[in-house]
Amino acid sequence: KNQVEQSPQSLIILEGKNCTLQCNYTVSPFSNLRWYKQDTGRGPVSLTIMTFSENTKSNGRYTATLDADTKQSSLHITASQLSDSASYICVVSRGANFGNEKLTFGTGTRLTIIP
Amino acid sequence: GAVVSQHPSWVICKSGTSVKIECRSLDFQATTMFWYRQFPKQSLMLMATSNEGSKATYEQGVEKDKFLINHASLTLSTLTVTSAHPEDSSFYICSARDSETGNQPQHFGDGTRLSIL
Repeated sequence: KNQVEQSPQSLIILEGKNCTLQCNYTVSPFSNLRWYKQDTGRGPVSLTIMTFSENTKSNGRYTATLDADTKQSSLHITASQLSDSASYICVVSRGANFGNEKLTFGTGTRLTIIP
Repeated sequence: GAVVSQHPSWVICKSGTSVKIECRSLDFQATTMFWYRQFPKQSLMLMATSNEGSKATYEQGVEKDKFLINHASLTLSTLTVTSAHPEDSSFYICSARDSETGNQPQHFGDGTRLSIL
């Protein structure tokens, strides 16, 4: 069964601290893995997209890693800011390309940054 | 960047009412749009794939007569929740893919929160 599991479910950290979110998947065949940020009451916004051959990708203070062998990914947030408070969703795509992709969404990690 | 707009952003209505939600791609054409539903603290679940000029493809368990989808142009898809009931209360999100630039991922709208009293 195609599944995406994320941990932790929720996380609270102090402003300025770093954190790492985890994603394990069993989706097959694998096309790409994405991390999205979803603010409360808003749609998901793409942070990173990684294909099978990519091990790491950065977007500002966000750095995602991918181990396609163990089917694990992580999202590291550096020097957290209050605006980082949101749900972070790991999404795995199967399909040959974006034109016929099927997305499997994780349930997300709810991150809260406190001052 | 690619922008997908949804309207309305929030709807509150009585049980039995039909509600229409619009999804527009503002700066690109989209032959394919997607409709998702998200219940509190749960992941997005694909409801249907909307294809311009043809019938939508519904996921297993989604009633096509309950959730009517119309994709009449390359920039607009609509989802109508017919005779809505409290169990239909949810966060509905659409996404669209740029047809002209080829291999591009979906861009999501900001969602519509539907509350049925």
